[in-house]
Formats: sequence, structure tokens, C-alpha cells
Amino acid sequence: DTGVSQDPRHKITKRGQNVTFRCDPISEHNRLYWYRQTLGQGPEFLTYFQNEAQLEKSRLLSDRFSAERPKGSFSTLEIQRTEQGDSAMYLCASSLGGQAEKLFFGSGTQLSVL
Amino acid sequence: GESVGLHLPTLSVQEGDNSIINCAYSNSASDYFIWYKQESGKGPQFIIDIRSNMDKRQGQRVTVLLNKTVKHLSLQIAATQPGDSAVYFCAENMLGNTPLVFGKGTRLSVIA
Repeated sequence: DTGVSQDPRHKITKRGQNVTFRCDPISEHNRLYWYRQTLGQGPEFLTYFQNEAQLEKSRLLSDRFSAERPKGSFSTLEIQRTEQGDSAMYLCASSLGGQAEKLFFGSGTQLSVL
Repeated sequence: GESVGLHLPTLSVQEGDNSIINCAYSNSASDYFIWYKQESGKGPQFIIDIRSNMDKRQGQRVTVLLNKTVKHLSLQIAATQPGDSAVYFCAENMLGNTPLVFGKGTRLSVIA
């Protein structure tokens, strides 16, 4: 257990529905990342926060995706109007930032869009 | 675009043998590299890292080698055990400036 918690572990939804995932990072970590992983592929960067500020977003993050980290602690990732192509594992990671930055990952939320 | 990739998608080794997992990277500006292990149903787990000012770093049963000339990274696991069975990813970035970029992974299967 890395100390990064994600909820829920699994989510099945119908196309067009909205879903929200939560991530609780390691408490002293000021950076929080969201990655997406599909079967047989490495994780792909989506976005990250330094405290409560969202500093970078990938081109992969369409306008249906929104992430927040309101108090610089936990974060939520919302997907609106889900599509079958959104089916993936959504991974959250946290770090202390700085150089030689080691990311600690949660177990992910597996999303299946029917 | 720039990417991190792996030479072999699968690797099978006998228990007790040494394993070598290879990774090629194409971003010559990358100066920090990490190996992660991912077991089924879990997130990636940090194994070992190396900065570009080093060419070798050792951990417990693992060694990472970096060859900047040919942009190649390898992970050596000594005395491979069944618990080492997993998918291994290399990841890279420029120190503190960019998010980690992951390769596609190599599945290591340990035969008892």
C-alpha cells in the first residue's frame, strides 16, 4: 500500500452518464497527478496539481474531463457524457515535487462504459 | 513525437535466473528515469531510479543501467522469484520540469 487511495475501485456506467472519481494522496505530498491506462499500455498523463493549482493538462484531456483539488488535499476527476472510449483505468499519483520526482500511485479506478 | 518504448513485450525466465528488461528512449533531453513494477489490479510501484549523470545504480536485487550514447535503459533483476512476475515500465522526464512519460511495458513471467 503506497498511501494513495482511490475511490471507487470499479465503476460501470452507461454511455452518456457522468462519473466522478476521488483520490486521496499521501498527506505531505503537494503534487497530485492523474493518469489514464488502457490494457497493455503504459499510463498516459492527463493533468497535475501543485497544491490546489492545476499546472498542466494533456491534450488527451477533452473538455468533458474536469479535475479539481479545492483544498490542496484530495482531488476529483469528473467525466461528463461518458463515451465507450473513456473505458480505462484511471490512476492517481502523488509526490513531493522537486527534482528526481518519484510518483507514488494508487490502485486506480477501473471505468467501464457500456 | 518523443516516446519511451521497450524492445520486448514479454519475457519468461526460470526461477532463480537473472532477468534483463530493456527500454529505449528517444528524448535526448530526458535526464531522469524510473522503473516501475505493476501487478495485476494494482497501480505502478516504484522500483528504482537513475539520473543521467550516472550510468549504473543498484538496489536490492535490482540494478539499472543507463547508456546515454544509445539512449538505452535496462533493469536487471537478480535471482528472479515468482513474486517478480508483473509488467515492468520504464518512465522518463526532464528533472522536475515535465510529467513522467511511460513506455508500453514488458510482462515478466517467472517459471517455477
